[in-house]
Amino acid sequence: EDQVTQSPEALRLQEGESSSLNCSYTVSGLRGLFWYRQDPGKGPEFLFTLYSAGEEKEKERLKATLTKKESFLHITAPKPEDSATYLCAVRTGNQFYFGTGTSLTVIP
Amino acid sequence: ETGVTQSPTHLIKTRGQQVTLRCSSQSGHNTVSWYQQALGQGPQFIFQYYREEENGRGNFPPRFSGLQFPNYSSELNVNALELDDSALYLCASSFPVGGTGELFFGEGSRLTVL
Repeated sequence: EDQVTQSPEALRLQEGESSSLNCSYTVSGLRGLFWYRQDPGKGPEFLFTLYSAGEEKEKERLKATLTKKESFLHITAPKPEDSATYLCAVRTGNQFYFGTGTSLTVIP
Repeated sequence: ETGVTQSPTHLIKTRGQQVTLRCSSQSGHNTVSWYQQALGQGPQFIFQYYREEENGRGNFPPRFSGLQFPNYSSELNVNALELDDSALYLCASSFPVGGTGELFFGEGSRLTVL
C-alpha cells in the first residue's frame, strides 16, 4: 500500500534556529516527490519536485533532499514568515499521495 | 498568466443535499484534479480529468462525480451529502504525462455539511 508519513506533526522554532522536516514513503512506481507549503485556509503552494535519490533542490532558506525511502526539508535560519504547514506528496501514476503535513511555527 | 480559480469559496449545505463546485485551470494546463482535505489532514485524491475524460480515481464513492469542459474548466458534484463530506475541496491543474508533473492548486472551496 502506498503511504507517506511526515514527522514531526508540529515544530516550534526560534527565529534563526535551523531544523529539518522528514517525509518517509513507501510507493511502487515513484514518479516524483513533491513538497508544498500551505497557509491556513489556503491551497497548497508548490515548492520542489525531486525525482531520483541523491537529488537536491534549494529555494531561499529551504533545501529539499531525497533518498530511496525518505526526503528531508531543511530550513536554515527560519523567519516568522516561514510559519506554515509543509506537505510532502509522492506521485504514482496520475495520483498524488499526501502526508498529513508538519505544522511549523517560527517564533520571533 | 492566471492561476487556478475556484468557486464558491465557502458554502453551507444540509445532509442529503447536492453541491456543485467549479474550477478554472491555470492558463495552458489541460489536466484537472480534485482533492478533499479534511481538517488537520493532507489532501486526498478524488479524481483527475484529461481531455474531458476521467483519467484516474481515488477511493471515493460514485456520488462524487465530475466534468471537464472544452476550455479545461471543471466541476465537482457531490450528491446525497453526508456530514463527513465537510472539508476543503481543492482543484489542481497540471500538464499531462510527460510534463514536470507538479500540481498547481486553487484556494479551495470550504464545504460545511450540517
